[in-house]
Amino acid sequence: SQTIHQWPATLVQPVGSPLSLECTVEGTSNPNLYWYRQAAGRGLQLLFYSVGIGQISSEVPQNLSASRPQDRQFILSSKKLLLSDSGFYLCARDDGANVLTFGAGSRLTVL
Amino acid sequence: AQSVSQHNHHVILSEAASLELGCNYSYGGTVNLFWYVQYPGQHLQLLLKYFSGDPLVKGIKGFEAEFIKSKFSFNLRKPSVQWSDTAEYFCAVSSGGSYIPTFGRGTSLIVHP
Repeated sequence: SQTIHQWPATLVQPVGSPLSLECTVEGTSNPNLYWYRQAAGRGLQLLFYSVGIGQISSEVPQNLSASRPQDRQFILSSKKLLLSDSGFYLCARDDGANVLTFGAGSRLTVL
Repeated sequence: AQSVSQHNHHVILSEAASLELGCNYSYGGTVNLFWYVQYPGQHLQLLLKYFSGDPLVKGIKGFEAEFIKSKFSFNLRKPSVQWSDTAEYFCAVSSGGSYIPTFGRGTSLIVHP
């Protein structure tokens, strides 16, 4: 199984509050993992990717951060949310040859 | 950096009409090409992919795409769409220098019954 679990599914947070979105994956060990943000009309923007525990690469400078404390756990965080952080956040794993499997996503609304 | 362009942002068709969604990329070397689809309320999922060989690839649900290297294109086609094809479609490219797929902005397809 290549199941990907994301939670929470939806989240409404005030500006300036912290954020933690979690993603856990099943299947083979040491997968490449990704966080993408999907904003209306803007497609999928790569935020972070990880090739292993503790290894995080950031694609876009912003007030978000990511961590990979365990092989199959990938966390997206923020200390202080901005209005512009609203969006649909997708966790994905590389199943080989760059083919991605996506989770159901977490919809974040910052008010 | 790699970029992917999807020129049709919103497409509205009637059932049985033919579909072609454009996708162009910028990288000139070896590429892997993908189309993903997101049906309403469902996960984003792979529709079809091209790595090498026959430039005409077939995917699920009657979709196909053609890789034209000289045009840096990978357009998605379906001869006769159905109402159930209503979804958002994303083109993605990964290049030899980076294994990370870059996605286009997506095309929203609405098929009227």
